[in-house]
Amino acid sequence: QVQLQESGPGLVKPSQVLSLTCTVSGNSIGRGGYYWNWIRHFPGKGLEWIGYMFNTGHTYYNPSLKGRVAFSADTSTNQFSLNLTSVTAADTALYFCARMMGSRGVADSWGHGILVTVSS
Amino acid sequence: EIVMTQSPLSLVVAPGESASISCRSSQSLLHRNGNSYVDWYLQRPGQAPQLLVYLTSNRASGVPDRFTGSGSGTFFTLEITTVEADDIGFYYCMQGLEPPLTFGGGTRLEIK
Repeated sequence: QVQLQESGPGLVKPSQVLSLTCTVSGNSIGRGGYYWNWIRHFPGKGLEWIGYMFNTGHTYYNPSLKGRVAFSADTSTNQFSLNLTSVTAADTALYFCARMMGSRGVADSWGHGILVTVSS
Repeated sequence: EIVMTQSPLSLVVAPGESASISCRSSQSLLHRNGNSYVDWYLQRPGQAPQLLVYLTSNRASGVPDRFTGSGSGTFFTLEITTVEADDIGFYYCMQGLEPPLTFGGGTRLEIK
């Protein structure tokens, strides 16, 4: 059974880089067939899809993030990562990594989420 | 991007009663392959979202048949029959027809 676990700092200063890692067990991220996503939940508000990575190289990012986001993957550790630059308080959210069955949704496995607060 | 408008914002339902949540999209979610790419998720308090329904009407593994998704075009519905205490949380629809994938604003389900 696949499991995902987010890790990273819970506090980031404004204008700095938010870096999170998702460690996957039970499924190889380099094998293909699944899409590996980052999704965030704003406090008291809704969900925003950040983007996905497929085959550790193909990515699609939400245009709302205006070029501030980049994903990377390390198949040796079976992890994929999120880097979000120039963060502001508006990036404060609960960040989830999730596996999707394809590019059109069906997120069947999620991490527990990690709360990241942007504050000085 | 495709906007998903969900209603109602909240529901209060007695155990054993039914609940209905709707989602309207800003454009048709019908792909030329005949699929309508709509998922439904439940986020229980303090937990990650859980997939309930995909491709409009397919229940995810382990989801009881009390949950039924339906719809077409731009209007989709999640029906919950015989509501139980464990059903509380926020329900979200999500479209997967085209990126960026987008979610509805959420519906909070509470039990009387």
